[in-house]
Amino acid sequence: GNSVTQMEGPVTLSEEAFLTINCTYTATGYPSLFWYVQYPGEGLQLLLKATKADDKGSNKGFEATYRKETTSFHLEKGSVQVSDSAVYFCALTNSGYALNFGKGTSLLVTP
Amino acid sequence: NAGVTQTPKFRILKIGQSMTLQCTQDMNHNYMYWYRQDPGMGLKLIYYSVGAGITDKGEVPNGYNVSRSTTEDFPLRLELAAPSQTSVYFCASSSVGGTTYEQYFGPGTRLTVT
Repeated sequence: GNSVTQMEGPVTLSEEAFLTINCTYTATGYPSLFWYVQYPGEGLQLLLKATKADDKGSNKGFEATYRKETTSFHLEKGSVQVSDSAVYFCALTNSGYALNFGKGTSLLVTP
Repeated sequence: NAGVTQTPKFRILKIGQSMTLQCTQDMNHNYMYWYRQDPGMGLKLIYYSVGAGITDKGEVPNGYNVSRSTTEDFPLRLELAAPSQTSVYFCASSSVGGTTYEQYFGPGTRLTVT
């Protein structure tokens, strides 16, 4: 079956530091990959996505590249802000309806 | 444009009680979903619907029921609440199925069963 593994949190960074959150997956076929973000007290919001190998998703300074050879979709940002503090979820689907989520990685950015 | 709305925001139930979690979307999306999020875990799919009158089980359907009489509404029913159902419940919708379409999430309902 499908599964997503994310690095354990919490991750604590100083403002303007470089961010990497690792995500690897197991899936049959050719899944689409997503990063969702959950701010405190809110629902999940799509941050970025990639639908085929070597695609790069990007949004709000965040990037992730779909690497089929390493089954990875690591999230990166060059300079984090306090407002980026949230929980980040890696997810995939190859069914068209069910999203399989990782456990989430909590990020805290300090001034 | 409200998107996906859920009520209530919080609820405490006693073991054995029943309740319905409400979910409404105003984006005219055909697909709707219910997920639960346990502490420190990702979301797990409970039920989903591909259109009015059509529903199907997800990964963790036991103890829940759903119905979809309109495009807009997708209520989730808990018949006999158990402590294992303590969780945060998220409703989501998407315009179509397929692997490239974004799911839009509501703000969640935090349920405690004691």
